[in-house]
Amino acid sequence: DAGVTQSPTHLIKTRGQHVTLRCSPISGHKSVSWYQQVLGQGPQFIFQYYEKEERGRGNFPDRFSARQFPNYSSELNVNALLLGDSALYLCASSQWGQNNSPLHFGNGTRLTVT
Amino acid sequence: QKEVEQNSGPLSVPEGAIASLNCTYSDRGSQSFFWYRQYSGKSPELIMSIYSNGDKEDGRFTAQLNKASQYVSLLIRDSQPSDSATYLCAVNTGFQKLVFGTGTRLLVSP
Repeated sequence: DAGVTQSPTHLIKTRGQHVTLRCSPISGHKSVSWYQQVLGQGPQFIFQYYEKEERGRGNFPDRFSARQFPNYSSELNVNALLLGDSALYLCASSQWGQNNSPLHFGNGTRLTVT
Repeated sequence: QKEVEQNSGPLSVPEGAIASLNCTYSDRGSQSFFWYRQYSGKSPELIMSIYSNGDKEDGRFTAQLNKASQYVSLLIRDSQPSDSATYLCAVNTGFQKLVFGTGTRLLVSP
């Protein structure tokens, strides 16, 4: 079975631009979460979606938004990019939206903002 | 106080030794705990999950949880050079929101 797939793998954007990152969960998984990981830090929670509804939001500005589609894939959108948005963006899926369901991460999208 | 704390390391052990990685957390209501391994430039890979006090073993890995002390640990027996990576402790604080530590870098020398 394919794992969590993310696209693109790398992206270079300019300050002020907009970016859309995409994620397909493991087949059968209904929950998708997004995390941001800057160099030298652990991943930081951005959003969680389950059955197409937002179930959790981390401490990120409104420039960050996301959605989940009927096939459970997801998009993360970031507007008005700042240099500080440069990071590895990780998508994770789990079978259920329950607390004990382990998260499985994709390979990530490395975003560089210049 | 950080929500999840880990020693950043590096923790250096010789091949074949036991590596002991530790993590403390602040949210007493946390119910599920995870260890992820992350190689440089790669994404985190789940290696252990633990939900109850005590030990949980999986191959060379043993996770230990003490909720009263708010402490989670990971033991790696017979450490191999391929175990060299950053180990992230993660605590579920609700609705699958994982709070990660900054990770402990493990170096296993041949």
